[in-house]
Amino acid sequence: DAGITQSPRHKVTETGTPVTLRCHQTENHRYMYWYRQDPGHGLRLIHYSYGVKDTDKGEVSDGYSVSRSKTEDFLLTLESATSSQTSVYFCAISADGNSPLHFGNGTRLTVT
Amino acid sequence: ELKVEQNPLFLSMQEGKNYTIYCNYSTTSDRLYWYRQDPGKSLESLFVLLSNGAVKQEGRLMASLDTKARLSTLHITAAVHDLSATYFCAVESGNTPLVFGKGTRLSVIA
Repeated sequence: DAGITQSPRHKVTETGTPVTLRCHQTENHRYMYWYRQDPGHGLRLIHYSYGVKDTDKGEVSDGYSVSRSKTEDFLLTLESATSSQTSVYFCAISADGNSPLHFGNGTRLTVT
Repeated sequence: ELKVEQNPLFLSMQEGKNYTIYCNYSTTSDRLYWYRQDPGKSLESLFVLLSNGAVKQEGRLMASLDTKARLSTLHITAAVHDLSATYFCAVESGNTPLVFGKGTRLSVIA
């Protein structure tokens, strides 16, 4: 398995609270991604990073921000969680953007 | 904007039967991937298809790519229960990160 760790694995939070999800990799891969998975929608890209401090928006970036201060860590922040952000969040990594993505085990987030 | 459509979205198959999952996409692609996801688990890469006419096979699964038709197929031969999972196709085009289809939930029944 590619060395990807997502934390926490599960989280329940209240509407309006900030939440940060962490993705940590030990592969020294350049590219990192955050996707959310919802029934009927498949996986949708939130944000991605192509290097330290280099990030870009994906299809569903509203309400989310990211940071990548080190190669190995990619953080996803919900500044003020809403119920529509209840989802399973997957982090993925890729060596060069042209290789298959390797996914973490996901974080199940519930916003009540 | 790149769009990826899979069909069917749900598929119930009898063991031993053959079936095909279809993946259509809207723009030219550089790479097409097939992933498998078991319930409650992460996604696992199955195949990468790079060029027109590419065919990859592993076990009872065979994937093919027709770039002119913008179509990939995942063919299942003599289905067994262990193939029950959700299958996703994903397309990469230019500098756009992977765009996923909605997935096909496959259930193989005795």
